[in-house]
Amino acid sequence: AQSVSQHNHHVILSEAASLELGCNYSYGGTVNLFWYVQYPGQHLQLLLKYFSGDPLVKGIKGFEAEFIKSKFSFNLRKPSVQWSDTAEYFCAVGGANNLFFGTGTRLTVIP
Amino acid sequence: GAVVSQHPSRVICKSGTSVKIECRSLDFQATTMFWYRQFPKQSLMLMATSNEGSKATYEQGVEKDKFLINHASLTLSTLTVTSAHPEDSSFYICSAPTGGRAYGYTFGSGTRLTVV
Repeated sequence: AQSVSQHNHHVILSEAASLELGCNYSYGGTVNLFWYVQYPGQHLQLLLKYFSGDPLVKGIKGFEAEFIKSKFSFNLRKPSVQWSDTAEYFCAVGGANNLFFGTGTRLTVIP
Repeated sequence: GAVVSQHPSRVICKSGTSVKIECRSLDFQATTMFWYRQFPKQSLMLMATSNEGSKATYEQGVEKDKFLINHASLTLSTLTVTSAHPEDSSFYICSAPTGGRAYGYTFGSGTRLTVV
């Protein structure tokens, strides 16, 4: 079955701390991977995506993610978080005809 | 947990016809529904935001007469693609805030529309 798991439901960090949000997936076939962010009261915004090529993907706002095929993982990282990174983060996996979202991880950054 | 049920999951229609996509919130009230579409090899794009009992807010470049959104109740939001054309073929997905957390959201399973 196709699925996406985000194991961290709620992460609380102090400013300048490093961030890593886990994302594991189960998907057959060619996989496209995404990380989206949703700030309070706003719609989804794309942070980064992976379709092929270099498995280390750099996105906006200093975020990056690494696709590790052997681990079926696509973890999101940021070396130093800011208060403005407080938001909900969604990992998504899909192919040409579908898209599956994880349940999301709420990140709270304490000033 | 909160679930948004989206139907149909796949639909094929002829050019010129209309297609309705439904998103129902199960076990919670969705006062707001976000509608997105995704083109191949691209990320989701917000089309519109619907609010129960009021007109939807459309993003720039989205034709409101072509993509009719209705949010008549707290548990149902619909997107109707009118006079569909092949370029409307895409993946459509809805999302609603669940209200259980300060800003938790849940997604429908998506609809793959193919216009032939």
